[in-house]
Amino acid sequence: NAGVTQTPKFQVLKTGQSMTLQCAQDMNHNSMYWYRQDPGMGLRLIYYSASEGTTDKGEVPNGYNVSRLNKREFSLRLESAAPSQTSVYFCASSEAGQGAYGYTFGSGTRLTVV
Amino acid sequence: GEDVEQSLFLSVREGDSSVINCTYTDSSSTYLYWYKQEPGAGLQLLTYIFSNMDMKQDQRLTVLLNKKDKHLSLRIADTQTGDSAIYFCADSNDYKLSFGAGTTVTVRA
Repeated sequence: NAGVTQTPKFQVLKTGQSMTLQCAQDMNHNSMYWYRQDPGMGLRLIYYSASEGTTDKGEVPNGYNVSRLNKREFSLRLESAAPSQTSVYFCASSEAGQGAYGYTFGSGTRLTVV
Repeated sequence: GEDVEQSLFLSVREGDSSVINCTYTDSSSTYLYWYKQEPGAGLQLLTYIFSNMDMKQDQRLTVLLNKKDKHLSLRIADTQTGDSAIYFCADSNDYKLSFGAGTTVTVRA
């Protein structure tokens, strides 16, 4: 009963490097999301995928790309990392919409860009 | 976008009640949520309230919703040390949840 699994849990990148954050869910949810969490700012939506085959920008999409590989997996890519992208990244999933159950979150990826 | 605001810090004595307040702007939200985040962990759904309800009680948790003022509150009765965490309120719009900045609750002995 894994829920939402994110890899890696920790990562340090140099400015300009690229990387992909992986997310997979085993709950057969239709919708998946990427958020970043910064102190005093709560969670801000980067990108989301309402259903397999669709992706849309959220509040802070600049510097990121996403791929909804299949129903289970939704990856977030940083093409050229910048120090401003130092953050904790959370993946989440839900049934279509959110309903009474809201989102199920992964445990996060702590990314530092130096 | 939708704005959700909440105070950043709350300190409470063990055994007292905690009240965390939140205001939101999206009047079309169907559900409003409270999430709890413990150190180093992701967010866990604590409780929710449907928008046509005024109050919901779940064991030590009481959620109050004032739709007219767009005000949501979470009361934790008999606060315990295990309740120390960050609490986020969130409202819903289409497929997306909008979160407040989070209230850090510290329980002191």
